[in-house]
Amino acid sequence: QVQLQESGPGLVKPSETLSLTCTVSGGSISSYYWSWIWQPPGKGLEWIGYIYSGSTSYNPSLKSRVTISLDTSKNQFSLRLNSVTAADTAMFYCARLLRGGNTGYWFDPWGQGALVTVSS
Amino acid sequence: YELTQPPSVSVSPGQTASITCSGDKLGHKYVCWYQQKPGQSPVVVIYQDSKRPSGIPERFSGSNSGNTATLTISGTQAMDEADYYCQAWDSSTVVFGGGTKLSVL
Repeated sequence: QVQLQESGPGLVKPSETLSLTCTVSGGSISSYYWSWIWQPPGKGLEWIGYIYSGSTSYNPSLKSRVTISLDTSKNQFSLRLNSVTAADTAMFYCARLLRGGNTGYWFDPWGQGALVTVSS
Repeated sequence: YELTQPPSVSVSPGQTASITCSGDKLGHKYVCWYQQKPGQSPVVVIYQDSKRPSGIPERFSGSNSGNTATLTISGTQAMDEADYYCQAWDSSTVVFGGGTKLSVL
């Protein structure tokens, strides 16, 4: 079965760029949507964006700072969030976005999450 | 697009818990539900309004009509205590509800 694992620095300085990678095992990264979701401490889930065959869609609130990319040769996809502040401290999850019908989209499976703290 | 959930719901063990998710003409969209226990990643319990993934107990069910989707847990067990999030798709973007903390008292 497909499994996802996030990796990247756990600590990022303010104004710098946060970079995370999600490695997909147990299946091909091709022909699926792949997404990033974050969850600030004690708060709810918020969608960051997704990538599908090179096309991307981002949360309008983050669009100016986010880039999601795909590396099919490594079966990985990545997140870059620039100009971070303390408000970007969160658990970051990667997930596969499955599709059924025109509006039937759901995340399954999820990675275990990566906690990133923004602090000097 | 916004999805609104009650912050908290309480239920006695063995009783039925209902968690709502409201949005404009939500019944025209598919809704899914996630369960998140402390320290764990979310898990989908309902997708496409009412479908249960394999491994999810039959006591979890879902419905969606008008402006409201509902997650129903029949015969609630202590292990069902968790945060629950609804999620929908709107204009090529993903939207989550704010989450509901289910307490089994």
